[in-house]
Amino acid sequence: DAKTTQPTSMDCAEGRAANLPCNHSTISGNEYVYWYRQIHSQGPQYIIHGLKNNETNEMASLIITEDRKSSTLILPHATLRDTAVYYCIATYYAGGTSYGKLTFGQGTILTVHP
Amino acid sequence: DSGVTQTPKHLITATGQRVTLRCSPRSGDLSVYWYQQSLDQGLQFLIQYYNGEERAKGNILERFSAQQFPDLHSELNLSSLELGDSALYFCASSRGTGHQETQYFGPGTRLLVL
Repeated sequence: DAKTTQPTSMDCAEGRAANLPCNHSTISGNEYVYWYRQIHSQGPQYIIHGLKNNETNEMASLIITEDRKSSTLILPHATLRDTAVYYCIATYYAGGTSYGKLTFGQGTILTVHP
Repeated sequence: DSGVTQTPKHLITATGQRVTLRCSPRSGDLSVYWYQQSLDQGLQFLIQYYNGEERAKGNILERFSAQQFPDLHSELNLSSLELGDSALYFCASSRGTGHQETQYFGPGTRLLVL
């Protein structure tokens, strides 16, 4: 799995967009970028993933640069409940074999303020 | 609610003892993953099972073992417990199709070794 680098912490005002960056300069062509978050000591929660195109779902948007060396997770209207540790992970799943451990780094502690 | 269940939620035991953690994957998921989260090591992948067979191993100690049963539930056995084994243990599951897999995590088992 490619190594990812994230800022240790970020702050965001409630109602504003939270933009969380991630560098993955050694990502290979078949590695997806996944984002998970962990609220307090709960189980990590899947947010979104992508390969090279920008992705959006009901939780967030994922913007991947054209060279795929970095990405940004966007929470469009952050709420207090979005305060969590956000993990950016680059990983691949070999087709048909379902091999796919997730390598978690330290993540970004996002604090949403009232 | 991810659909992954783990029991027990909390476990307190003494050094040298053996415990079993149980995980039931989401309905239809064939792959089960075990992760350990300690304060000093962060979230670490331990082992993966796919449809009853071991698929990948991570930083799993020899004192630890796991298996996945025909009904697809999995158990993680921890023996000769040491103080340093105190951690959160998460189970995750995924479809097992091997393409764009998303892992869904359970709420975890908090193990305290005294």
